[in-house]
Amino acid sequence: ETGVTQSPTHLIKTRGQQVTLRCSSQSGHNTVSWYQQALGQGPQFIFQYYREEENGRGNFPPRFSGLQFPNYSSELNVNALELDDSALYLCASSAGLAPDEQFFGPGTRLTVL
Amino acid sequence: GQQLNQSPQSMFIQEGEDVSMNCTSSSIFNTWLWYKQDPGEGPVLLIALYKAGELTSNGRLTAQFGITRKDSFLNISASIPSDVGIYFCAGHTGNQFYFGTGTSLTVIP
Repeated sequence: ETGVTQSPTHLIKTRGQQVTLRCSSQSGHNTVSWYQQALGQGPQFIFQYYREEENGRGNFPPRFSGLQFPNYSSELNVNALELDDSALYLCASSAGLAPDEQFFGPGTRLTVL
Repeated sequence: GQQLNQSPQSMFIQEGEDVSMNCTSSSIFNTWLWYKQDPGEGPVLLIALYKAGELTSNGRLTAQFGITRKDSFLNISASIPSDVGIYFCAGHTGNQFYFGTGTSLTVIP
C-alpha cells in the first residue's frame, strides 16, 4: 500500500509568481485536505476535496485554489505569491470524511523570495 | 486563521517522567485529535476523541475530551527518547479542522 506522496519536496519562487503543488492520495482514499504550516506553527486548514468537489474551506483568500482528479490525486494552486506564503504545505488523504482517518504526506516546503 | 491555544509551548524532561499538555479553544468541537510530528514529516495521529468527557488511552498515551467541549489534554507516561517531537492538538467541527500551536517535547536520557 502506497502512502501519501507530495511533489515537489522543495520549491523556491519569487513574489508574484504562481505555484502548483501536487499530492497523490493513499490507495483507496477519496478525500484530500490541504494545510499550510508556517515555521513554528500548527497546520492551518486550507480546503478539503471529496470525490472531486470542494467540501470545506478555511480562511484563505481565493488565490489559493485546488483540484481533485478522478484518480483522487490533487493539486494546490497559489497565484500572486506573497512572502507570507512561505511555509510547509501538507496534504492529507482519507477514505471518507471521518476526521480521524487522515494520513498526512511529508509536505512541500515552499520558499517565496 | 484560528489556532487553538496549546500549552506548554515546550518541555524538557528526564526519561521516565510523565508529561502533560493541554489545549483550549473559544469554540466547541465535535472531535478532538492529538498528533505527533517529527522533523521532515507530516503529523501522525495518536488519539481521537469523540464525546465530551471521553477518556481514551493508546499505550502510554492518555487523552481526554473536556466536558465543555472546548478543551482537551494529553498525558504521556514514563517518557522515552523516541517521544521527542512536536505534539499538536486539533479540533474538528463541520468540515473544518483547527490545529493548536504545538508543544515541543525534549526527552533527556
